[in-house]
Amino acid sequence: TQLLEQSPQFLSIQEGENLTVYCNSSSVFSSLQWYRQEPGEGPVLLVTVVTGGEVKKLKRLTFQFGDARKDSSLHITAAQPGDTGLYLCAPSGAGSYQLTFGKGTKLSVIP
Amino acid sequence: GAGVSQSPSNKVTEKGKDVELRCDPISGHTALYWYRQSLGQGLEFLIYFQGNSAPDKSGLPSDRFSAERTGGSVSTLTIQRTQQEDSAVYLCASSLRDTSANTEAFFGQGTRLTVV
Repeated sequence: TQLLEQSPQFLSIQEGENLTVYCNSSSVFSSLQWYRQEPGEGPVLLVTVVTGGEVKKLKRLTFQFGDARKDSSLHITAAQPGDTGLYLCAPSGAGSYQLTFGKGTKLSVIP
Repeated sequence: GAGVSQSPSNKVTEKGKDVELRCDPISGHTALYWYRQSLGQGLEFLIYFQGNSAPDKSGLPSDRFSAERTGGSVSTLTIQRTQQEDSAVYLCASSLRDTSANTEAFFGQGTRLTVV
């Protein structure tokens, strides 16, 4: 059983600020997905990272997969109110098809 | 519609009653997941179906919970003798699983269950 930890659990920031959230584990992942869930909706996939050290950018969002493929980070530049939501990571292990999520980081961006 | 559809969107039931929650996955998706999300919390895995394989039931919290998937498509999550702690949003997701295990899960909007 992989232990998955997301931090911080809650984050409230002003519009325009930068922030980073983390997804850490003691296990090695073959890949990792980040999802965002807005209030009243189901989660939506933002990105999948596969290679250790990989960096992917999605507009103001930068995703990084750790070199050892045990951790990942999501950095948001100049946060907007539309970034408000629950950010969830979901790793995938070799041969494992169970999609298990971390507890998430709840982000509130205040106008 | 082309997305994952869940019904009902809201369900209020009395303690002790049975409830059935329905999920219509995206056509052609072989994998189907059920999750439970309590207020302000993350997603708790309940059960996973993949094609014709035996489902992974390791997340079901008690024997009051069961799920089936008929014909590899529609799934029903049944909760018997509901308790107040069963109150939550129940989310269903489907994906086009392949051997790479790197496929996107598409979620429905969930069923909000309230047990009074």
